[in-house]
Amino acid sequence: DIQMTQSPSTLSASVGDRVTITCRASQSISRWLAWYQQKPGKAPKLLISEASSLESGVPSRFSGSRSGTEFTLTISSLQPDDFATYYCQQYNSYSRAFGGGTKVEIK
Amino acid sequence: QVHLQESGPGLVKPSQTLSLTCTVSGASITTPDHYWSWVRQPPGKGLEWIGYMSYSGSTYYSPPLRSRIIISADTSKNQLTLNLTSVTAADTAVYYCARDLNRGLDIWGQGTLVTISS
Repeated sequence: DIQMTQSPSTLSASVGDRVTITCRASQSISRWLAWYQQKPGKAPKLLISEASSLESGVPSRFSGSRSGTEFTLTISSLQPDDFATYYCQQYNSYSRAFGGGTKVEIK
Repeated sequence: QVHLQESGPGLVKPSQTLSLTCTVSGASITTPDHYWSWVRQPPGKGLEWIGYMSYSGSTYYSPPLRSRIIISADTSKNQLTLNLTSVTAADTAVYYCARDLNRGLDIWGQGTLVTISS
C-alpha cells in the first residue's frame, strides 16, 4: 500500500513569507497527487490536483510541483486567510491515502 | 450544484455498528467516472481515507479497515451508506463523504461527528 509522508507537521510563518510543504510517496504515483486546505471545523477544500493543476478560484499564490516521488506545495506570499492545515493525497492506486498534514501557524 | 449531506446517529456504543448515510443532490451517484469516498478525522488529528464506491457499484476499502467496512448504495434515493462494525473509541471521528472524480475530492459534505461511548 502506498504511504504518504508529509513534512513538516507544523510550520510557523509570517504574513508575506514564502512557505513550502513537502509530501513524499513511498512509491511512484506519477502526477496523481492532490493538495487540500482545511480550516478548523470545516471540510477540506481541494486546492491542487494532478500535482500542479490549480483548482478554479484558488489564488495564484498557491502552486504545486513534482520531482519523482516528492511533491511540493508552495505559497508564494502567505496571507492571513492561509493559516490552516494542509494535506496531500495520492490517487494513483485504488487506495487514496492522505499525508499526515501540515499546520501553518502564525509566527 | 452538487451537494452532499451526511446523516446518522451521533452516539454509538462500543462493539456496535456505525451506520451513516450520504445523500447526494445535483448529481447522480451512477454518473460515469464518479466515485464517492468516505473520509474520517478523529478529533484533533489528520484525515483518514476510509473507502469509496464507484459509479458502477464497485468498492475499495482502506486496508486497515477492510475487515469492518461495507459501503453500499441506494440508487433510487441517490444515497450511499457506510457501515463500520465492531466500533471502539478509536472510531470516534468526524465522518465526511466526498465526490471523487479521480483527480482529488472536489466536493465534500459538512461532516458528522460520531462518538463511540457507552
